Amino acid sequence: ELKVEQNPLFLSMQEGKNYTIYCNYSTTSDRLYWYRQDPGKSLESLFVLLSNGAVKQEGRLMASLDTKARLSTLHITAAVHDLSATYFCAVDMDSSASKIIFGSGTRLSIRP
Amino acid sequence: EPEVTQTPSHQVTQMGQEVILRCVPISNHLYFYWYRQILGQKVEFLVSFYNNEISEKSEIFDDQFSVERPDGSNFTLKIRSTKLEDSAMYFCASTGETGRRGYTFGSGTRLTVV
Repeated sequence: ELKVEQNPLFLSMQEGKNYTIYCNYSTTSDRLYWYRQDPGKSLESLFVLLSNGAVKQEGRLMASLDTKARLSTLHITAAVHDLSATYFCAVDMDSSASKIIFGSGTRLSIRP
Repeated sequence: EPEVTQTPSHQVTQMGQEVILRCVPISNHLYFYWYRQILGQKVEFLVSFYNNEISEKSEIFDDQFSVERPDGSNFTLKIRSTKLEDSAMYFCASTGETGRRGYTFGSGTRLTVV
C-alpha cells in the first residue's frame, strides 16, 4: 500500500524567510502533484511533476522531484502572508490514473 | 479555465437518509474520482471511475456507497444510509491523458449528518 508522508505537518514562519516542505513516498512513482488548500476551500493545483529531476517554479514556490530517493520538495522563497495555507503532495502510484494518494498536508502560517 | 462543478455546496441530512452528491467533470476528461476530507484531516481516496465502470475503490467505499454516470455529463456519489461519521467534505475530481496534466478538483460538497 502506497504511503505518502509530509513533514513538517505544521510550519510557522516569518515573512521574508525561506523554508522547504518534504514529501516522501513508499513505492516507485514518477508522478507527483502539489496542491494548495485554503480553509474551507477546494484543492488548487500548483505543480505537476512527471519525471525524475523535474523542477517547476511559480512565483515564490519551487517544486522538485527525485524519484530515486522517492522524495519531492516544495521550497518557499521569501515567504509572504498570502502563502499561508495547507499544502498537500499527492502521488500517482502506477501512472494509470487509477488514483492519487495524498500526504497528510503541511499547514503553513506566515507571520509578519 | 475549465472547472469541475459540484452541487450542492452544503447538505445537511438526518442519519439513515440517502444522499446524492452531484458533479459535472470537465467535458473532455475521461477519468473521474471521489475523495473525502474529514474536517482538518487528510484527503482520502474513495473511488475512481473510467469507461463507465469503477476502476478502483478504497476500503471506505463499502456497500453503502455507489457511483453513477447517468448521462454524458453528470457523475454522482450516492450514500444509501448515512452515518454520523460520513460527515465530511466530498470532492469530485477529473483528469484526462492519464493524469499527465494533473487532476482538477471541484469546490466540494460539505455533508453534515445529524
